[in-house]
Amino acid sequence: KAGVTQTPRYLIKTRGQQVTLSCSPISGHRSVSWYQQTPGQGLQFLFEYFSETQRNKGNFPGRFSGRQFSNSRSEMNVSTLELGDSALYLCANLTGAGYTFGSGTRLTVV
Amino acid sequence: AQSVAQPEDQVNVAEGNPLTVKCTYSVSGNPYLFWYVQYPNRGLQFLLKYITGDNLVKGSYGFEAEFNKSQTSFHLKKPSALVSDSALYFCAVRDREYGNKLVFGAGTILRVKS
Repeated sequence: KAGVTQTPRYLIKTRGQQVTLSCSPISGHRSVSWYQQTPGQGLQFLFEYFSETQRNKGNFPGRFSGRQFSNSRSEMNVSTLELGDSALYLCANLTGAGYTFGSGTRLTVV
Repeated sequence: AQSVAQPEDQVNVAEGNPLTVKCTYSVSGNPYLFWYVQYPNRGLQFLLKYITGDNLVKGSYGFEAEFNKSQTSFHLKKPSALVSDSALYFCAVRDREYGNKLVFGAGTILRVKS
Protein backbone atom coordinates (compact mmCIF):
# COMPACT_ATOMS: atom_id res chain seq x y z
CA LYS A 1 0.00 0.00 0.00
CA ALA A 2 1.60 3.28 -1.09
CA GLY A 3 2.18 5.94 1.53
CA VAL A 4 1.57 9.65 1.36
CA THR A 5 3.33 11.14 -1.65
CA GLN A 6 4.42 14.75 -1.81
CA THR A 7 5.81 16.45 -4.86
CA PRO A 8 8.14 18.03 -5.53
CA ARG A 9 10.68 17.18 -2.83
CA TYR A 10 12.62 20.40 -3.25
CA LEU A 11 11.78 23.82 -4.64
CA ILE A 12 13.65 27.08 -4.94
CA LYS A 13 11.57 30.17 -5.65
CA THR A 14 12.15 33.89 -5.73
CA ARG A 15 10.40 36.40 -3.50
CA GLY A 16 7.13 37.51 -4.97
CA GLN A 17 6.55 34.34 -6.95
CA GLN A 18 3.88 31.79 -6.19
CA VAL A 19 4.21 28.07 -5.62
CA THR A 20 1.97 25.00 -5.67
CA LEU A 21 2.72 21.88 -3.69
CA SER A 22 0.99 18.54 -4.17
CA CYS A 23 -0.01 15.72 -1.83
CA SER A 24 -1.44 12.35 -2.79
CA PRO A 25 -2.89 10.54 0.23
CA ILE A 26 -3.18 6.83 0.83
CA SER A 27 -5.90 5.39 -1.34
CA GLY A 28 -9.29 5.50 0.33
CA HIS A 29 -8.36 7.99 3.06
CA ARG A 30 -9.86 11.37 2.46
CA SER A 31 -8.64 13.55 5.33
CA VAL A 32 -5.57 15.57 4.35
CA SER A 33 -3.84 18.12 6.55
CA TRP A 34 -0.92 20.43 5.82
CA TYR A 35 1.76 21.59 8.24
CA GLN A 36 4.61 24.05 8.00
CA GLN A 37 7.87 23.25 9.77
CA THR A 38 10.45 25.94 10.44
CA PRO A 39 13.34 26.09 12.92
CA GLY A 40 11.82 29.09 14.67
CA GLN A 41 8.15 28.20 14.84
CA GLY A 42 8.30 24.42 14.79
CA LEU A 43 5.40 22.47 13.32
CA GLN A 44 2.31 24.55 12.66
CA PHE A 45 -1.06 23.51 11.29
CA LEU A 46 -2.02 25.13 8.00
CA PHE A 47 -5.35 23.54 7.04
CA GLU A 48 -7.32 20.33 6.77
CA TYR A 49 -9.40 19.05 3.88
CA PHE A 50 -11.97 16.29 3.80
CA SER A 51 -14.06 15.34 0.79
CA GLU A 52 -12.98 18.48 -1.09
CA THR A 53 -14.04 20.78 1.77
CA GLN A 54 -11.76 22.78 4.01
CA ARG A 55 -12.64 21.84 7.56
CA ASN A 56 -10.18 23.90 9.51
CA LYS A 57 -7.57 26.55 8.89
CA GLY A 58 -4.61 27.56 11.00
CA ASN A 59 -3.40 31.04 11.74
CA PHE A 60 -1.73 31.86 8.43
CA PRO A 61 -2.26 34.80 6.09
CA GLY A 62 -4.55 34.55 3.09
CA ARG A 63 -1.53 34.02 0.82
CA PHE A 64 -1.70 30.41 1.94
CA SER A 65 -4.50 28.47 0.34
CA GLY A 66 -5.36 24.93 -0.55
CA ARG A 67 -7.81 22.67 -2.22
CA GLN A 68 -8.70 19.02 -2.52
CA PHE A 69 -9.81 17.15 -5.58
CA SER A 70 -12.39 14.40 -5.95
CA ASN A 71 -9.64 11.76 -5.87
CA SER A 72 -8.53 13.18 -2.49
CA ARG A 73 -5.30 14.60 -3.85
CA SER A 74 -4.62 17.97 -2.30
CA GLU A 75 -2.64 21.01 -3.32
CA MET A 76 -1.53 23.99 -1.34
CA ASN A 77 -0.61 27.29 -2.88
CA VAL A 78 1.44 30.15 -1.51
CA SER A 79 1.26 33.44 -3.40
CA THR A 80 3.59 36.41 -3.20
CA LEU A 81 6.32 34.40 -1.53
CA GLU A 82 8.31 35.91 1.31
CA LEU A 83 11.68 34.83 2.66
CA GLY A 84 9.95 33.63 5.82
CA ASP A 85 7.94 31.10 3.84
CA SER A 86 11.07 28.99 3.50
CA ALA A 87 10.16 25.80 5.30
CA LEU A 88 9.46 22.11 5.08
CA TYR A 89 5.81 21.63 4.16
CA LEU A 90 4.33 18.37 5.34
CA CYS A 91 1.15 16.67 4.32
CA ALA A 92 -0.61 14.28 6.71
CA ASN A 93 -3.28 11.73 5.97
CA LEU A 94 -5.58 10.47 8.70
CA THR A 95 -6.01 6.70 8.63
CA GLY A 96 -7.35 4.23 11.16
CA ALA A 97 -3.89 3.88 12.67
CA GLY A 98 -3.41 7.59 13.08
CA TYR A 99 -1.72 10.24 11.01
CA THR A 100 0.67 9.24 8.22
CA PHE A 101 2.99 11.93 6.95
CA GLY A 102 4.61 12.38 3.61
CA SER A 103 8.32 13.13 3.24
CA GLY A 104 7.59 16.78 2.73
CA THR A 105 8.47 19.50 0.25
CA ARG A 106 11.45 21.67 1.15
CA LEU A 107 10.72 25.19 -0.11
CA THR A 108 13.50 27.73 -0.22
CA VAL A 109 12.63 31.33 -1.04
CA VAL A 110 15.52 33.49 -2.20
CA ALA B 1 -6.66 25.11 23.64
CA GLN B 2 -4.78 21.85 23.69
CA SER B 3 -1.01 21.96 24.04
CA VAL B 4 2.01 19.80 24.70
CA ALA B 5 5.39 20.70 26.11
CA GLN B 6 8.71 19.00 25.66
CA PRO B 7 10.91 20.45 28.38
CA GLU B 8 14.24 19.22 27.01
CA ASP B 9 15.75 20.56 23.80
CA GLN B 10 18.22 17.68 23.75
CA VAL B 11 18.72 14.37 25.47
CA ASN B 12 22.04 12.56 25.42
CA VAL B 13 22.35 8.88 26.25
CA ALA B 14 24.94 6.17 25.81
CA GLU B 15 24.18 3.25 23.54
CA GLY B 16 22.66 0.38 25.48
CA ASN B 17 21.32 2.62 28.25
CA PRO B 18 17.62 3.30 28.75
CA LEU B 19 16.28 6.53 27.31
CA THR B 20 13.40 8.82 28.23
CA VAL B 21 12.09 11.76 26.24
CA LYS B 22 9.64 13.84 28.23
CA CYS B 23 6.28 15.27 27.24
CA THR B 24 3.56 16.94 29.27
CA TYR B 25 0.16 17.90 27.98
CA SER B 26 -2.65 20.31 28.68
CA VAL B 27 -6.03 19.35 27.27
CA SER B 28 -9.69 19.58 28.03
CA GLY B 29 -11.26 16.16 28.12
CA ASN B 30 -9.50 12.92 27.31
CA PRO B 31 -6.30 13.39 25.33
CA TYR B 32 -5.32 11.75 22.07
CA LEU B 33 -1.52 11.72 22.26
CA PHE B 34 1.12 10.78 19.73
CA TRP B 35 4.87 10.41 19.36
CA TYR B 36 6.64 10.92 16.06
CA VAL B 37 10.28 10.71 15.02
CA GLN B 38 11.94 12.74 12.28
CA TYR B 39 15.24 12.01 10.57
CA PRO B 40 17.07 14.76 8.67
CA ASN B 41 15.22 16.03 5.60
CA ARG B 42 12.45 13.51 6.10
CA GLY B 43 8.82 13.57 7.13
CA LEU B 44 7.47 12.41 10.45
CA GLN B 45 7.35 8.71 11.24
CA PHE B 46 4.65 7.46 13.60
CA LEU B 47 5.92 5.73 16.73
CA LEU B 48 2.87 5.25 18.92
CA LYS B 49 -0.38 6.74 20.13
CA TYR B 50 -2.56 6.81 23.21
CA ILE B 51 -6.30 7.15 22.88
CA THR B 52 -7.69 5.09 25.69
CA GLY B 53 -6.94 1.89 27.56
CA ASP B 54 -3.67 0.72 29.04
CA ASN B 55 -1.41 3.45 30.34
CA LEU B 56 1.66 1.74 28.87
CA VAL B 57 1.59 1.96 25.10
CA LYS B 58 3.95 -0.08 22.97
CA GLY B 59 5.03 1.24 19.62
CA SER B 60 7.44 0.84 16.74
CA TYR B 61 11.18 0.12 16.97
CA GLY B 62 11.01 -0.96 20.61
CA PHE B 63 9.66 2.34 21.90
CA GLU B 64 6.93 2.64 24.48
CA ALA B 65 5.24 5.49 26.29
CA GLU B 66 3.62 5.79 29.66
CA PHE B 67 0.45 7.83 29.99
CA ASN B 68 0.13 9.40 33.43
CA LYS B 69 -3.11 11.26 33.94
CA SER B 70 -2.29 12.67 37.38
CA GLN B 71 0.99 14.13 36.14
CA THR B 72 -0.41 14.96 32.68
CA SER B 73 2.63 13.34 31.14
CA PHE B 74 3.27 11.04 28.21
CA HIS B 75 6.98 10.23 28.31
CA LEU B 76 8.62 8.20 25.56
CA LYS B 77 10.91 5.39 26.66
CA LYS B 78 13.13 2.67 25.35
CA PRO B 79 14.97 0.11 27.49
CA SER B 80 18.15 0.06 25.42
CA ALA B 81 19.11 2.91 23.11
CA LEU B 82 20.69 2.44 19.70
CA VAL B 83 22.89 4.90 17.83
CA SER B 84 20.32 4.72 15.04
CA ASP B 85 17.69 6.13 17.43
CA SER B 86 19.44 9.50 17.17
CA ALA B 87 16.83 11.82 15.66
CA LEU B 88 14.30 14.55 16.45
CA TYR B 89 11.28 13.42 18.47
CA PHE B 90 7.92 15.15 18.61
CA CYS B 91 5.07 14.73 21.02
CA ALA B 92 1.64 15.78 19.70
CA VAL B 93 -1.95 16.03 20.82
CA ARG B 94 -5.05 16.06 18.69
CA ASP B 95 -6.90 19.32 19.15
CA ARG B 96 -10.48 18.12 18.94
CA GLU B 97 -11.84 21.66 18.87
CA TYR B 98 -10.32 21.81 15.38
CA GLY B 99 -11.23 18.47 13.87
CA ASN B 100 -8.13 16.47 13.14
CA LYS B 101 -5.57 19.16 13.85
CA LEU B 102 -2.41 18.04 15.62
CA VAL B 103 -0.62 20.36 18.02
CA PHE B 104 3.08 19.56 18.34
CA GLY B 105 5.66 20.13 20.98
CA ALA B 106 8.86 21.93 20.06
CA GLY B 107 10.73 18.66 19.62
CA THR B 108 13.59 16.98 21.45
CA ILE B 109 16.86 16.02 19.80
CA LEU B 110 18.00 12.60 20.95
CA ARG B 111 21.69 11.84 20.63
CA VAL B 112 22.83 8.30 21.32
CA LYS B 113 26.59 7.90 21.57
CA SER B 114 28.46 4.66 21.10
